[in-house]
Amino acid sequence: AQSVSQHNHHVILSEAASLELGCNYSYGGTVNLFWYVQYPGQHLQLLLKYFSGDPLVKGIKGFEAEFIKSKFSFNLRKPSVQWSDTAEYFCAVNTQAAGNKLTFGGGTRVLVKP
Amino acid sequence: EPEVTQTPSHQVTQMGQEVILRCVPISNHLYFYWYRQILGQKVEFLVSFYNNEISEKSEIFDDQFSVERPDGSNFTLKIRSTKLEDSAMYFCASTLSGSPYNEQFFGPGTRLTVL
Repeated sequence: AQSVSQHNHHVILSEAASLELGCNYSYGGTVNLFWYVQYPGQHLQLLLKYFSGDPLVKGIKGFEAEFIKSKFSFNLRKPSVQWSDTAEYFCAVNTQAAGNKLTFGGGTRVLVKP
Repeated sequence: EPEVTQTPSHQVTQMGQEVILRCVPISNHLYFYWYRQILGQKVEFLVSFYNNEISEKSEIFDDQFSVERPDGSNFTLKIRSTKLEDSAMYFCASTLSGSPYNEQFFGPGTRLTVL
């Protein structure tokens, strides 16, 4: 079965700083990778996803993620954060073999100080 | 923009009581899911549902849990006899198809507190 790890539980940074959130998964086969965000009081929404092709994926709100197969990683990045990026970020995977259920990492709470 | 909605936003119940959590998926979606997140833990898959049948369920989804789509719009999760450890945030999600490439759209969640 697949599993997902997010090593940073809490990140605090100032506006305009760069953000990188780590995500590692364990699964021997092909995976589909997702980053979801949950803003305070709101529902989970998709930031970006990777299925195949260019390992550098661009999502909404200036976020991007890079799939590095050899490292089983799918790290999320944003060059310059804003106060409105304060949220919880979740990495998730699903696999062709296991159907469409998502397996989530533990989430990373990001606080951007104005 | 269409959204998944969930009611109630917060449910408090006594241990041993039955609760029903309600979800209205996006109208043209065909696959429905329940996930839960116990405080401080990961979001966990509970069950997926398609064509009025359970497609897949996790080990968590034991005989105390059931799901149904009673009227073509609502999708419900019932917990027959709640335990303290059922206290969690419960998320409903829906997708257009069963493809793993499809985005799952999540509702805002129902926070269940079992006393």
